Amino acid sequence: NAGVTQTPKFRILKIGQSMTLQCAQDMNHNYMYWYRQDPGMGLKLIYYSVGAGITDKGEVPNGYNVSRSTTEDFPLRLELAAPSQTSVYFCASADASSGNTIYFGEGSWLTVV
Amino acid sequence: AQKITQTQPGMFVQEKEAVTLDCTYDTSDQSYGLFWYKQPSSGEMIFLIYQGSYDEQNATEGRYSLNFQKARKSANLVISASQLGDSAMYFCAIDNDMRFGAGTRLTVKP
Repeated sequence: NAGVTQTPKFRILKIGQSMTLQCAQDMNHNYMYWYRQDPGMGLKLIYYSVGAGITDKGEVPNGYNVSRSTTEDFPLRLELAAPSQTSVYFCASADASSGNTIYFGEGSWLTVV
Repeated sequence: AQKITQTQPGMFVQEKEAVTLDCTYDTSDQSYGLFWYKQPSSGEMIFLIYQGSYDEQNATEGRYSLNFQKARKSANLVISASQLGDSAMYFCAIDNDMRFGAGTRLTVKP
């Protein structure tokens, strides 16, 4: 009963380093999303995907890249990490046939120092 | 792009009373849906309720109901008989582009 799985759960990066946040879902959902949530704030959409091979920018895509080579996986890549990217990152998935309910991962806490 | 607005950064309610959390949206689409999610201090996102734009009756899920006024483009969440465990952040979102509002922090007073 995994749902949406994100790894790692916590990470500290140095300025300028790169890393990939992994996201996998086992519900065969076609839609997947990456959000960031800064302390005390709402969720901002970074990137989304409506199916394998298709990705698109959300509200705050700068500094990030994504790929969607399979239905299950939607990794988020941070290139040249900056302190402004310190945030909690949520991956989510949805399937139009289930009323568009969004299923969230547990979040990944990222600190850039 | 769609726009979601939650104008109440914080709300207080007495335990056992009802509270309404506001959400307005802006979309030119004819078909869409509105969600509400709860985020307790532990951080996880918990789905509460959903209503589609063509649903004729307001959605209800236990103590949660959605006061959907399509002409006013509002989808307010009503929580009846508030409990201490309802203290959390609440977010609304529109499903066409899955964008969220800024959230409302609800505090239930004993």
